Amino acid sequence: DIRVTQSPSSLSVSVGDRITITCRASQSISNYLNWYQQKPGRAPELLIYAASTLQSGVPSRFSGSGSGTDFTLTISSLQPEDFATYYCQQSYSSPCIFGQGTKLEIK
Amino acid sequence: EVQLLESGGGLVQPGGSLRLSCAASGFTFSIYAMSWVRQAPGKGLEWVSSISGIPGSAATTEYAASLKGRSTISRDDSKNTLYLQIHSLRVEDTAIYYCARAFAGWNYDYWGQGTLVTVSS
Repeated sequence: DIRVTQSPSSLSVSVGDRITITCRASQSISNYLNWYQQKPGRAPELLIYAASTLQSGVPSRFSGSGSGTDFTLTISSLQPEDFATYYCQQSYSSPCIFGQGTKLEIK
Repeated sequence: EVQLLESGGGLVQPGGSLRLSCAASGFTFSIYAMSWVRQAPGKGLEWVSSISGIPGSAATTEYAASLKGRSTISRDDSKNTLYLQIHSLRVEDTAIYYCARAFAGWNYDYWGQGTLVTVSS
């Protein structure tokens, strides 16, 4: 199985901060990497697929980059509605494993 | 509008069985692969099972190791409904079970609101 490891597991941040979350795959997955946002009590929502393609309706302050084994999700200027947990997911091969999640908390 | 609505969760004793359903609307259900993803209380997301969406062909299915041999994913394209049957339920199967639509591979663009399965005596 191809595993993905996210870091950090949590981040204490402020509105307006630029933040970066990383995801590392256990082997090369080309650009088969997705990012999801989940707010408490809600289902996950797709933010970015294929490493860098913004899902329709997602604000442009979100961006993704990377290929092979190393990937990043960047939020350029954190907004109040962005405090949530973020998950990466490899979609290269089954099982399509999710990362452990990164929780953004208010500083 | 795409909608996915899960049902069938509840309290089940260890060793019991249940069948989850996911009613889809707002899109051509038959041409999309679908998956189940679960989330234990306070934990992360765990992929559970997937089924292909190729009308007229036998569906291909895949299962997480934790549920292989104890679960069956299926779909009824005439009813626009996805199912997950789980047998021999364990305490560790306690979770919210989400159904999700897959596009361009296994990218999940729509999710249901989830149904809670609690396995406890």
